[in-house]
Amino acid sequence: DAKTTQPNSMESNEEEPVHLPCNHSTISGTDYIHWYRQLPSQGPEYVIHGLTSNVNNRMASLAIAEDRKSSTLILHRATLRDAAVYYCTVMDSSYKLIFGSGTRLLVRP
Amino acid sequence: DTAVSQTPKYLVTQMGNDKSIKCEQNLGHDTMYWYKQDSKKFLKIMFSYNNKELIINETVPNRFSPKSPDKAHLNLHINSLELGDSAVYFCASSQGQGINQPQHFGDGTRLSIL
Repeated sequence: DAKTTQPNSMESNEEEPVHLPCNHSTISGTDYIHWYRQLPSQGPEYVIHGLTSNVNNRMASLAIAEDRKSSTLILHRATLRDAAVYYCTVMDSSYKLIFGSGTRLLVRP
Repeated sequence: DTAVSQTPKYLVTQMGNDKSIKCEQNLGHDTMYWYKQDSKKFLKIMFSYNNKELIINETVPNRFSPKSPDKAHLNLHINSLELGDSAVYFCASSQGQGINQPQHFGDGTRLSIL
């Protein structure tokens, strides 16, 4: 199972962009990178996923390094509602999401 | 309409009891999961079913038994509850079991063992 490493916490100001990094140096060629976030007292919420190319959706963008050993989740304008724990996970052919300890994002008003 | 719903939301019970947690999804998904989140907030997969067939069975004590009566439901029965079973249990579903399939989670069942 590919492991992921993320900073324990990050802070941002409201309305500013946030770049959340993730290392997954043991990722294999066909493994997908998934990002989820968990707001207090809620279940994880899917954010975005990708394989090789950068991906955009209404919630965020995902920038994947060329060697795929790292990725960055980009929130273009952080809001107070984006304060959550963000999990970077890698899914392989076992179809298991392996969650690490995540990054706790604090958004300052 | 809640996409993935779990009942009960809170469950407080005594050691040694048997309890069940129910999960239903109305997304038309084929695959469902159970995860456990412990006090340190680590999320770990326990089981996964695809079209009522067990496909993932992690190293979980056999006191835990999942049951899928149909593809919209995945229940979790726990026998002889122990203190270490205290955790938040999350149900999730995905359209299929592909590695590019997003999972949709319920809001969890908070199990406390006295």
